[in-house]
Amino acid sequence: DSGVTQTPKHLITATGQRVTLRCSPRSGDLSVYWYQQSLDQGLQFLIQYYNGEERAKGNILERFSAQQFPDLHSELNLSSLELGDSALYFCASSVGGARRSETQYFGPGTRLLVL
Amino acid sequence: AQSVTQLGSHVSVSEGALVLLRCNYSSSVPPYLFWYVQYPNQGLQLLLKYTSAATLVKGINGFEAEFKKSETSFHLTKPSAHMSDAAEYFCAVSLSNTGNQFYFGTGTSLTVIP
Repeated sequence: DSGVTQTPKHLITATGQRVTLRCSPRSGDLSVYWYQQSLDQGLQFLIQYYNGEERAKGNILERFSAQQFPDLHSELNLSSLELGDSALYFCASSVGGARRSETQYFGPGTRLLVL
Repeated sequence: AQSVTQLGSHVSVSEGALVLLRCNYSSSVPPYLFWYVQYPNQGLQLLLKYTSAATLVKGINGFEAEFKKSETSFHLTKPSAHMSDAAEYFCAVSLSNTGNQFYFGTGTSLTVIP
């Protein structure tokens, strides 16, 4: 158990819909990262938040957005869902967020299926 | 540009045999390299990481990896495979100077044959 929690574990929805994925980092960690794992794209970095502020952005679509709240939990919002958004979405956390040597601790993931 | 390349998407070894999973990186800055393991229906778990302190890094579950700058490699090895080692293995590199995002390889699925 990494200490990172993600809800829900599974999500099934229809095209065009909007969903929210939630992540609680390990106690004491200030950074939260979101990754998407799909068969065709592999594991791709989406976005990083550090202590409530966006720190880095990766291959995140404009239909996707995220935020980190004062209690440090984070939510990833996916809207206008398409079939291709079906994937496993991971959240990870780390103590800081600027040192490249920091370990990221991954949650169990949310499996999204868009029908 | 591909930052991390994992050669061999599938590797099969016999139980008790040497495990060798390959990872090559490309980086214009000193890299920080990580190996993670993913068991079915689970998240990623850190096996080991290289942060320039020592070129030979020992990790959990008997795994180790050697950083070779001249070969731009960070291959993962284990002397004797166990059935419980069957999983997906990912090599990752941290490159950015503005954040700490990881760039992952495409993964190698390890099968252990009894």
